[in-house]
Amino acid sequence: GNSVTQMEGPVTLSEEAFLTINCTYTATGYPSLFWYVQYPGEGLQLLLKATKADDKGSNKGFEATYRKETTSFHLEKGSVQVSDSAVYFCALNRGAQKLVFGQGTRLTINP
Amino acid sequence: DSGVTQTPKHLITATGQRVTLRCSPRSGDLSVYWYQQSLDQGLQFLIQYYNGEERAKGNILERFSAQQFPDLHSELNLSSLELGDSALYFCASSVDGREGGYTFGSGTRLTVV
Repeated sequence: GNSVTQMEGPVTLSEEAFLTINCTYTATGYPSLFWYVQYPGEGLQLLLKATKADDKGSNKGFEATYRKETTSFHLEKGSVQVSDSAVYFCALNRGAQKLVFGQGTRLTINP
Repeated sequence: DSGVTQTPKHLITATGQRVTLRCSPRSGDLSVYWYQQSLDQGLQFLIQYYNGEERAKGNILERFSAQQFPDLHSELNLSSLELGDSALYFCASSVDGREGGYTFGSGTRLTVV
């Protein structure tokens, strides 16, 4: 079945550092890939998505590229801020199938 | 405000009791999903409804049930509650569940004591 594996957290960085959160997936066919973010005390919000190979999703300075050859969708940001502290979830779905989430990565940015 | 409304935001109840969680999807969305988020198990898919009919079922316990009404709001019923049912319960909606991101509500935090 479809599955998503994220790098284990927690991840702690200093402000303005470069961020990478790794995500790899297993799926048949060509799934759509997503990153969601959950700020403390809130629900999940869609951060970015990519629907086909080599697509790059981007939002709020975050980027992720759909790499079919490595079945990966790593999240990157060039310079993180304290306000980026949250839990980040990688996810996939295909067609009308339910969204499948990774286990989440907790990110803490220190000033 | 995401457009998906969940009530109540917090619920504290005793073991053995029954509770109902409510979700109103974003306007125009036909599909509703329920997820359980606990500290040690991440986000677990429970069940999906599309336009009033059950479409997919995940690891939902027999003590749990759900339905989607003609006005498209959905209710998740949890009965014979156990301490281990304490979690955040999220509802999400999408237009038709195809190739798109979901819109999540802010969740209901259930505490069973």
